[in-house]
Amino acid sequence: GAVVSQHPSWVICKSGTSVKIECRSLDFQATTMFWYRQFPKQSLMLMATSNEGSKATYEQGVEKDKFLINHASLTLSTLTVTSAHPEDSSFYICSVPGQSSYEQYFGPGTRLTVT
Amino acid sequence: AQSVTQPDIHITVSEGASLELRCNYSYGATPYLFWYVQSPGQGLQLLLKYFSGDTLVQGIKGFEAEFKRSQSSFNLRKPSVHWSDAAEYFCAVGAIGNQFYFGTGTSLTVIP
Repeated sequence: GAVVSQHPSWVICKSGTSVKIECRSLDFQATTMFWYRQFPKQSLMLMATSNEGSKATYEQGVEKDKFLINHASLTLSTLTVTSAHPEDSSFYICSVPGQSSYEQYFGPGTRLTVT
Repeated sequence: AQSVTQPDIHITVSEGASLELRCNYSYGATPYLFWYVQSPGQGLQLLLKYFSGDTLVQGIKGFEAEFKRSQSSFNLRKPSVHWSDAAEYFCAVGAIGNQFYFGTGTSLTVIP
């Protein structure tokens, strides 16, 4: 399966600042990557689909101006949380589709805490 | 509409006892089913998956799951639980276009 990394694994930022999270596919190229958010004791919720060479597709209720996604290359997608607020504190996980169109490989996640 | 239900929010078992975590799905076509495990503060680790064929699927760490189409279920089992199995378990359905639908998770506590 694919190896997916995320950086940083943990970040603390002050309210009002922006934070960038990176997702890398280490062993194969991915034209699509997915970003999920997981609040404590809850399940993963898909936020957006990152598309290389085109705009990201956001799920209903996700603010595209707040969560900026850039699919810079076939191995890198970034999620920038702009003007972060404490309610944005969450665990953010990215995934890369596998060879089967029904399979995904998940990154280790990034814990964001906004103070 | 696609959905995944994990009826048990939290389960406690004794070490060495058997385990069954329930998962029910709603999906219009042939489902592609997954079980993941998540330790605190960690990402998701794939335990096993079902795409087709034998309805009893073997996974890592001694886990297995059985797909029952008539019951729309994909329950996860382990004959003897170890303390290291304590974690959060997620059932998921994979749909066309790489859409994933996760259950709400079951938290497993293992007591000595």
